[in-house]
Amino acid sequence: GAGVSQSPSNKVTEKGKDVELRCDPISGHTALYWYRQSLGQGLEFLIYFQGNSAPDKSGLPSDRFSAERTGGSVSTLTIQRTQQEDSAVYLCASSYTPGVYEQYFGPGTRLTVT
Amino acid sequence: KNQVEQSPQSLIILEGKNCTLQCNYTVSPFSNLRWYKQDTGRGPVSLTIMTFSENTKSNGRYTATLDADTKQSSLHITASQLSDSASYICVVSATNAGNMLTFGGGTRLMVKP
Repeated sequence: GAGVSQSPSNKVTEKGKDVELRCDPISGHTALYWYRQSLGQGLEFLIYFQGNSAPDKSGLPSDRFSAERTGGSVSTLTIQRTQQEDSAVYLCASSYTPGVYEQYFGPGTRLTVT
Repeated sequence: KNQVEQSPQSLIILEGKNCTLQCNYTVSPFSNLRWYKQDTGRGPVSLTIMTFSENTKSNGRYTATLDADTKQSSLHITASQLSDSASYICVVSATNAGNMLTFGGGTRLMVKP
């Protein structure tokens, strides 16, 4: 079946502009996660959605970052007033339920802020 | 603070040889530990998931071990192949953090012919 998809695959934007990154999780998966992987760094947790519960936003690095998940499916990560340090690969993952269930990762969106 | 540390940071081995990657963690309370393989430019792909009660789990030529007492895990790769060249990431989940994952920095493995 279809895996997690993300768009765009690459995004180049100017400093100060807003960007939106999209994630389509696997159908039926209730949990959705956003991560960031900066060059040469490990993966960093950003935000977690579970069903209709309030999201866990504890990993968001600043108030310029926000995310929403509409209808319990597609999610959008928005970065306002982008900075050069926002340049990274943004990965989305979904799982059937949280916990031990496997998280399936999308291919990521490579964001470059010039 | 929850942390996951991996060693070595990088490793070069010859095709056909075995290798072992290490992971130490301080995540508490522990829920599960996962090993992922990440090819360059791709998202991570799961190799194994282990809960507290599991000591070892295999997936083909990959065998992961877990010692929950010492908070250590290892990933052993047998008879390495060129396609094993990738980053291997140890990820630990805590039960009280919305199952948020704490990622290690990864071990970059290069298998040479």
